[in-house]
Amino acid sequence: QVQLQESGPGLVKPSGTLSLTCAVSGGSITNSKWWSWVRQPPGQGLEWIGEIYHSGNTNYNPSLKSRVSISVDKSKNQFSLKLSSVTAADTALYYCTRKNYELQYLGGVYWFDPWGQGTRVIVSS
Amino acid sequence: EIVMTQSPATLSVSPGARATLSCRASQSVSSNLAWYQQKPGQAPRLLIYGASTRATGVPVRFSGSGSGTEFTFTISSLQSEDFAIYYCQQSHNWPYTFGQGTKLDIK
Repeated sequence: QVQLQESGPGLVKPSGTLSLTCAVSGGSITNSKWWSWVRQPPGQGLEWIGEIYHSGNTNYNPSLKSRVSISVDKSKNQFSLKLSSVTAADTALYYCTRKNYELQYLGGVYWFDPWGQGTRVIVSS
Repeated sequence: EIVMTQSPATLSVSPGARATLSCRASQSVSSNLAWYQQKPGQAPRLLIYGASTRATGVPVRFSGSGSGTEFTFTISSLQSEDFAIYYCQQSHNWPYTFGQGTKLDIK
């Protein structure tokens, strides 16, 4: 089955750019799915950051839109997150996940599964 | 943005008992509602999607119901491995949003 693995620097300086990659194994990233990033600050809940389709189409959370960029590398079967001008508030566990779709009686429904194990990013000088 | 509100924040329940969690959306999300379980140090695990469809491999003691703005998640008979934090999440509108979570504690 599809597995996801995040990677990237665990420490980023304030005002710098956070860069993470999610490697997809066990399936193709072009398999008609959207791929998302979700983050979780220490001791807090989950926040959806944005998503990308293999064509390069993206959707972002408006709260982060001015600072976030998600890209896809089909040749490497992976997608990436860049978050610029980071502050301590961006310290979090960052997860990558796949969005799935099913047509049900009341309409189409979406959900996130599977998830990567997460990678911790600390913003500090 | 659709705000998801979960209640209660913490629920203390005895093993073997029934647990009922609530999730309310600030506007209708139809049946586009999922439930996740998260244990310390682990990624969220999908339990329910489409408000009431159990994900593959999820035990039948987990169930979900509701549509529109009011949703319920029930564990019929709590096992020791069920004590965790549970999140609801809507995928009806961007940005997708999660509830703040309900922590299920051992009583």
